[in-house]
Amino acid sequence: QVQLVESGGGLVKPGGSLRLSCAASGFTFRDYYMSWIRQAPGKGLEWVSYISSSGTSIYYADSVKGRFTISRDNAKNSLYLQMDSLRAEDTAVYYCARVRREYSYGYGYYFNYMDVWGKGTSVTVS
Amino acid sequence: SYELTQPPSVSVSPGQTARITCSGDALPKKYAFWYQQKSGQAPVLVIYEDIKRPSGIPERFSGSSSGTMATLTISGAQVEDEADYYCYSTDSSGNLWVFGGGTKLTVL
Repeated sequence: QVQLVESGGGLVKPGGSLRLSCAASGFTFRDYYMSWIRQAPGKGLEWVSYISSSGTSIYYADSVKGRFTISRDNAKNSLYLQMDSLRAEDTAVYYCARVRREYSYGYGYYFNYMDVWGKGTSVTVS
Repeated sequence: SYELTQPPSVSVSPGQTARITCSGDALPKKYAFWYQQKSGQAPVLVIYEDIKRPSGIPERFSGSSSGTMATLTISGAQVEDEADYYCYSTDSSGNLWVFGGGTKLTVL
């Protein structure tokens, strides 16, 4: 079955770094865009970043741009998030998600959405 | 930046219809998606492309969209439908992905 398992979370001091990993199984990883989404304690979901299937197209939310780096290793079926210059406001559960990318002939654009999520890994910056 | 606006909370009695709205300027030209998140769990997709329901999602869940507003409707809400619901879409460029602030649905 399709599965995503995040790891690498933990407690880190402000200004520190952490690298999250997401191991994918049950589907052809190299065919899918992937994304990271986070959720601060008691707060809503916040999209963080996405990466195209080949890794050539990458986008970040303004809140993490310049500090976080998304990457992937298709040979290892793995997604990563390198988080540098961490701040207290980065404290959250970080979810890895598979992205479905489809074309809408009605609207005339490619649209993307997360169809499978991992259980998340917790990051505390304090 | 781009924002999707949801009501913070909706409350219904079991068997009643719950409606959760999501407004955004780009919605006339972008699809809306809906996620259900129960306490302590990862989100689950319940509606995609405005109106479609993934396999395994009960028929009481439906979606609609008109102009700048998308709506998630739960017809005959059950106690097990209590959860936070998030709408999701993108800005006009398609490169900034956005979640609404979430709506806490109470069924009691």
